[in-house]
Amino acid sequence: GQNIDQPTEMTATEGAIVQINCTYQTSGFNGLFWYQQHAGEAPTFLSYNVLDGLEEKGRFSSFLSRSKGYSYLLLKELQMKDSASYLCAVRDNNDMRFGAGTRLTVKP
Amino acid sequence: GAGVSQSPSNKVTEKGKDVELRCDPISGHTALYWYRQSLGQGLEFLIYFQGNSAPDKSGLPSDRFSAERTGGSVSTLTIQRTQQEDSAVYLCASSTLAGEWETQYFGPGTRLLVL
Repeated sequence: GQNIDQPTEMTATEGAIVQINCTYQTSGFNGLFWYQQHAGEAPTFLSYNVLDGLEEKGRFSSFLSRSKGYSYLLLKELQMKDSASYLCAVRDNNDMRFGAGTRLTVKP
Repeated sequence: GAGVSQSPSNKVTEKGKDVELRCDPISGHTALYWYRQSLGQGLEFLIYFQGNSAPDKSGLPSDRFSAERTGGSVSTLTIQRTQQEDSAVYLCASSTLAGEWETQYFGPGTRLLVL
């Protein structure tokens, strides 16, 4: 997606912690979202940030800094099933734009 | 139904033919969204409906694409005179309110292949 940047691939070890970064540019920021997408499946919603700070949901946390145009998704206690693509998406006024996704591989 | 459903699940068509893709949102969801995802690419937002109206159609790739929603429920995405570059997975999502983009639930998608 245009102006939404995230790493293409990451590898981590089962049980570890991984942080997936996302930087963006918008004219009318209206929320940032993280989705998980397993190969061949539809995306599923993970988190939503509209205010600065950290949102925690179990093993997953998402952080937002609007002034820096920066977010990260933190995955703790990694499991093999966490191997998937993680999509950063930004609502820019009425438009929804997605990054190309970060393909995470969790190894034993 | 319990979730968003889409039909057909797969569609193979010849270049130049028209195709119609259908989305059944979760019952009671007033907002409906269409996206497409090309092979190896990120998601691309196409259009969203609030009830039966589409406030912003600027995401549609060309005038060959159109979408409608009737009765505040089922939506159809029509692609006229299909081109090979239209080949992609077309995803539909729904949510309770158009403002609550964070609660979107996705359907399984329609895989379109234009030969």
